[in-house]
Amino acid sequence: DAKTTQPNSMESNEEEPVHLPCNHSTISGTDYIHWYRQLPSQGPEYVIHGLTSNVNNRMASLAIAEDRKSSTLILHRATLRDAAVYYCIFTTAAQKLVFGQGTRLTINP
Amino acid sequence: DAGVTQSPTHLIKTRGQQVTLRCSPKSGHDTVSWYQQALGQGPQFIFQYYEEEERQRGNFPDRFSGHQFPNYSSELNVNALLLGDSALYLCASSFIGAAHNTEAFFGQGTRLTVV
Repeated sequence: DAKTTQPNSMESNEEEPVHLPCNHSTISGTDYIHWYRQLPSQGPEYVIHGLTSNVNNRMASLAIAEDRKSSTLILHRATLRDAAVYYCIFTTAAQKLVFGQGTRLTINP
Repeated sequence: DAGVTQSPTHLIKTRGQQVTLRCSPKSGHDTVSWYQQALGQGPQFIFQYYEEEERQRGNFPDRFSGHQFPNYSSELNVNALLLGDSALYLCASSFIGAAHNTEAFFGQGTRLTVV
């Protein structure tokens, strides 16, 4: 199964940027990098995905290393509502996502 | 758009019993995947249904089975329940015909407790 490495936990302050790292050294050329987050007592929620180029959407930015072996999810101004477990996944199909342990993000007021 | 809906939200069953969980996908989606999430762990892929057939399966025993209906809704059945089957069961829907790899939408899950 596809394997990613993420820190177990991170902490940041409200209204500051947050950079969540992910290593995926075994990624293949056709794998997309997906990020999902899971708020307490909810199902996972899609955040962003990309293949090679950096991506931006209303929720976050995704910075992908040139060799694609790592990526960083960037939350530009964290809010308390961004406190969640963030999962980095690489896959060829959204129909089968292989979740790791994820990073538990804590936001301090 | 109601998104992905799952029922029931909570369920308590006794060891050895059978359970059926239900999922309605997001409008326009044709594929349903099921996941099991134990407490403190990431979700684990159980199987995926497309065109009313099981297309992919994770590392789960045959006690776990499913079905997809013509309207794309799906059921997850678990027979001979074990205490270790206690978990949050998540349904995710997606559109397999998307031009490129796209996102999955998850329901809120069914919390199953086996006693």
